[in-house]
Amino acid sequence: GENVEQHPSTLSVQEGDSAVIKCTYSDSASNYFPWYKQELGKGPQLIIDIRSNVGEKKDQRIAVTLNKTAKHFSLHITETQPEDSAVYFCAAPSTKGGKLIFGQGTELSVKP
Amino acid sequence: DTGVSQDPRHKITKRGQNVTFRCDPISEHNRLYWYRQTLGQGPEFLTYFQNEAQLEKSRLLSDRFSAERPKGSFSTLEIQRTEQGDSAMYLCASSVMGLNQETQYFGPGTRLLVL
Repeated sequence: GENVEQHPSTLSVQEGDSAVIKCTYSDSASNYFPWYKQELGKGPQLIIDIRSNVGEKKDQRIAVTLNKTAKHFSLHITETQPEDSAVYFCAAPSTKGGKLIFGQGTELSVKP
Repeated sequence: DTGVSQDPRHKITKRGQNVTFRCDPISEHNRLYWYRQTLGQGPEFLTYFQNEAQLEKSRLLSDRFSAERPKGSFSTLEIQRTEQGDSAMYLCASSVMGLNQETQYFGPGTRLLVL
């Protein structure tokens, strides 16, 4: 969609707890929703993505859920570890070409 | 390691100078994107290529910016007469467009500081 809102902007959890980051998008035609993890001084790394034909996708400790009716999708990280600490971005494709529209980012801090 | 490489990784220049950045995409990826990221923000789209054709440019891309992908492989992004406001991380991403689906993989970025 042309607008992607992400919250919270910062999230602090204890090691072993779960973390949830939520995003909403504006364009109902959007059909692909990637999540990127960015560590300090590095480029964004794709960690999981979901397409609109499914409602949930899981990869080990990471899962993404999609609610197309409400136009929101969420990233769930279970059993958090200190190495999960980073900035996480959600994104959705613009309907005008292939560019991605990114959320504002969530800085996740996992305390040992 | 996603396979997208960028050079240089860091660039410090004085205001008014020209700079050029290079991006080498993952082999056989037909789409190449340039984004700009400032501190505390998500990446913002600048321009993209499908093969050698530049298909879209953002209004963020002033006439001081030019990008090329002459042979449909690597790409260059040039900024002329740099300004302090150009200081940012410049990210390149590549993808292969197939069956109306694509996944973008990012490089490590080039961090530009304009003094």
